[in-house]
Amino acid sequence: GAVVSQHPSWVICKSGTSVKIECRSLDFQATTMFWYRQFPKQSLMLMATSNEGSKATYEQGVEKDKFLINHASLTLSTLTVTSAHPEDSSFYICSARGRTTNEKLFFGSGTQLSVL
Amino acid sequence: GNSVTQMEGPVTLSEEAFLTINCTYTATGYPSLFWYVQYPGEGLQLLLKATKADDKGSNKGFEATYRKETTSFHLEKGSVQVSDSAVYFCALGGTSYGKLTFGQGTILTVHP
Repeated sequence: GAVVSQHPSWVICKSGTSVKIECRSLDFQATTMFWYRQFPKQSLMLMATSNEGSKATYEQGVEKDKFLINHASLTLSTLTVTSAHPEDSSFYICSARGRTTNEKLFFGSGTQLSVL
Repeated sequence: GNSVTQMEGPVTLSEEAFLTINCTYTATGYPSLFWYVQYPGEGLQLLLKATKADDKGSNKGFEATYRKETTSFHLEKGSVQVSDSAVYFCALGGTSYGKLTFGQGTILTVHP
């Protein structure tokens, strides 16, 4: 099946710094990418949807100025957590779909963010 | 709104044991239901799906039946293997595959 690569797998940062997470579709053009967040023992929660070349659509309660999403090309989307705080520590995972994936979703392996 | 409740884990079984992971949902309309699996170090992969009531999804020996009357989509496998050790997510979605509502995931560990 199609492959989505997400980096880094884990990151530790100091409070107040920014962290960028990359999500790449390796063998298909991702027209739409989704970013999810999962706190311990809770569900994966959709944060935002991004279509290539358009501004991301954020779910209710997600701060767009804090979680910057860029989907500038058909193979790359990035999520930047700006001025990270300990409460942003979570598991972040991306997924992607494209015209050639028959509307199926393919997921990255996730990024565990720990903010000290 | 939509929500998915999964059986809490972790679940630990011996090889060849019977597996059930419960999943119930609340939703408006007629959503599709999914089970995703995440093996260590990999992304979530679609395991099976059902798009309407009484549909049975099946794959790799796993099965789940869309029960509208009990709003459930329990995952079952008759004989688990060590290689089935993973995290299993139940999810529901509308007409778009993209906007999925997930359960919290259930960790399954199978011992030889």
